[in-house]
Amino acid sequence: DAGVTQSPTHLIKTRGQHVTLRCSPISGHKSVSWYQQVLGQGPQFIFQYYEKEERGRGNFPDRFSARQFPNYSSELNVNALLLGDSALYLCASSSDEIWAGELFFGEGSRLTVL
Amino acid sequence: QKEVEQDPGPLSVPEGAIVSLNCTYSNSAFQYFMWYRQYSRKGPELLMYTYSSGNKEDGRFTAQVDKSSKYISLFIRDSQPSDSATYLCAMSRTIRGNLIFGKGTKLSVKP
Repeated sequence: DAGVTQSPTHLIKTRGQHVTLRCSPISGHKSVSWYQQVLGQGPQFIFQYYEKEERGRGNFPDRFSARQFPNYSSELNVNALLLGDSALYLCASSSDEIWAGELFFGEGSRLTVL
Repeated sequence: QKEVEQDPGPLSVPEGAIVSLNCTYSNSAFQYFMWYRQYSRKGPELLMYTYSSGNKEDGRFTAQVDKSSKYISLFIRDSQPSDSATYLCAMSRTIRGNLIFGKGTKLSVKP
């Protein structure tokens, strides 16, 4: 079975641009979470979706938004990119609303903002 | 004070050594404790999951939680070069809660 898949794997943007990152959860998983991992740090929670509804939001500015589609895939959008947005963006899925201990991560999308 | 503290290392050990990785935390509300392994330029991979205090063993890996001391540990027995990775601890207050991660400890196991 395929794991969590994310695209693109790498991308380079300039300050002020917009980026869309995509995630397909493990087949049968209905919950998707997004995390940001800055180099040398642990992942930091951004958003959590279950059955297309936002169930949690971390301490990120409104430039960050996300949504989940009927097929449970998800998009993370970041507007007005800043240099500090350079990071590995991780998507994780779980089978149900039970997330703790059942989060499976994708390999991430590495964003570089110049 | 950060909610979860983890020594970033790096930690270098010879093959076959017992490795001890640790995290401390400040919020007594944490009840769910996880250890993830992350290879370079890859996503985190779930290794161990523990609820509340106690020990859990899985092959060469043992996870310990001491809630009274707000301290969790991961032990790796008979370490192998393939164990070389960054190990992240993570915690959650509730079963539906988002994870709070430590910074990760970079481990290198030398042949």
